[in-house]
Amino acid sequence: EDKVVQSPLSLVVHEGDTVTLNCSYEVTNFRSLLWYKQEKKAPTFLFMLTSSGIEKKSGRLSSILDKKELSSILNITATQTGDSAIYLCAVTTTSGTYKYIFGTGTRLKVLA
Amino acid sequence: ETGVTQTPRHLVMGMTNKKSLKCEQHLGHNAMYWYKQSAKKPLELMFVYSLEERVENNSVPSRFSPECPNSSHLFLHLHTLQPEDSALYLCASSHLAGGPYNEQFFGPGTRLTVL
Repeated sequence: EDKVVQSPLSLVVHEGDTVTLNCSYEVTNFRSLLWYKQEKKAPTFLFMLTSSGIEKKSGRLSSILDKKELSSILNITATQTGDSAIYLCAVTTTSGTYKYIFGTGTRLKVLA
Repeated sequence: ETGVTQTPRHLVMGMTNKKSLKCEQHLGHNAMYWYKQSAKKPLELMFVYSLEERVENNSVPSRFSPECPNSSHLFLHLHTLQPEDSALYLCASSHLAGGPYNEQFFGPGTRLTVL
């Protein structure tokens, strides 16, 4: 059965800290891995990764995929209280054309 | 405000009621999705429509009935729900999978409480 596991489940840090969130997957016929940020309701798209070793960056957020280790990390540097959210990881496969397999998410709280 | 809207944002219903959730996307996408999000569980995919045709139905009980009249609108009709159906129901849309731009865009969700 296809599975996506995120760790840690929750994390509390102080403003200015750097955090690393992990996503590992066990799926058949991997196509892509996506990161989303969910603040109040709607998850918002952050990154889509398809190739191993290529870092994607957006401001203080960056992410990289390791297909050998079947995992991805999401880094947030110089955290701010506005980064407090649930970070969701999802994987798509070539076998289930419309299938997005989500992890449970990591709940990040950044204290002022 | 995202390009995907959902109404209502909150809904409280009794087990014998019939209600409908509505989703609308303004992004020109041709695939739409219903997800259920319960506390401490991953997002559960319920239904997928592609070009107004249902292409995925993840063993969802028949008390949930989707409808996609066109590629911009998606409904979820609810009938005789159970308290365990209380959750956040999220709608999403995307371009057809298979291309390079298949990230999903989510609506704000409907918080459903079944009494």
